[in-house]
Amino acid sequence: EPEVTQTPSHQVTQMGQEVILRCVPISNHLYFYWYRQILGQKVEFLVSFYNNEISEKSEIFDDQFSVERPDGSNFTLKIRSTKLEDSAMYFCASRRGPQETQYFGPGTRLLVL
Amino acid sequence: GEDVEQSLFLSVREGDSSVINCTYTDSSSTYLYWYKQEPGAGLQLLTYIFSNMDMKQDQRLTVLLNKKDKHLSLRIADTQTGDSAIYFCAERGGGSQGNLIFGKGTKLSVKP
Repeated sequence: EPEVTQTPSHQVTQMGQEVILRCVPISNHLYFYWYRQILGQKVEFLVSFYNNEISEKSEIFDDQFSVERPDGSNFTLKIRSTKLEDSAMYFCASRRGPQETQYFGPGTRLLVL
Repeated sequence: GEDVEQSLFLSVREGDSSVINCTYTDSSSTYLYWYKQEPGAGLQLLTYIFSNMDMKQDQRLTVLLNKKDKHLSLRIADTQTGDSAIYFCAERGGGSQGNLIFGKGTKLSVKP
């Protein structure tokens, strides 16, 4: 069964460094998402991406964040200058069409020191 | 704004039924979901229900939707130790791109 994959599974970085989290959505999916889950808290929506552009973003998704689909398979989340409070599990999700279900990847656990 | 609420903990004995409850605020939600998260793992879609349904059954799982009260429940029959996990209720947000609004999750502990 096709799955959403994410790399790396864990990343430790120093405050102020840039990180890129990578996702490979399911191949025939057209809508892509990033969510994050701070330890012990809710899963929060960050951004959605469709037709090669951001379609919706939350208040969390400020200028330090960017997303890109550099080729036909990868979908990346970049955090330009990480802060301690960016430490969280980051989930990528994708779905095929507007009425379809979202499928989530296993997540990348980011720790900012 | 849109919000989803769940109780944080539920403890049951193996073989009993578990019922996890959720309330949501957005009456225009078209789909409501249950996701399962095992320790250190991602979010696994368990089941979902469309808003014009009031019940959906899938093997040991039964989802009940009371749209008037904006109440969703997940019943797990014959709960097993492997069902121990965090269960997230989610509604499809009002935005056009269908982002999900999650509850905080209910941690289900199954005792042998």
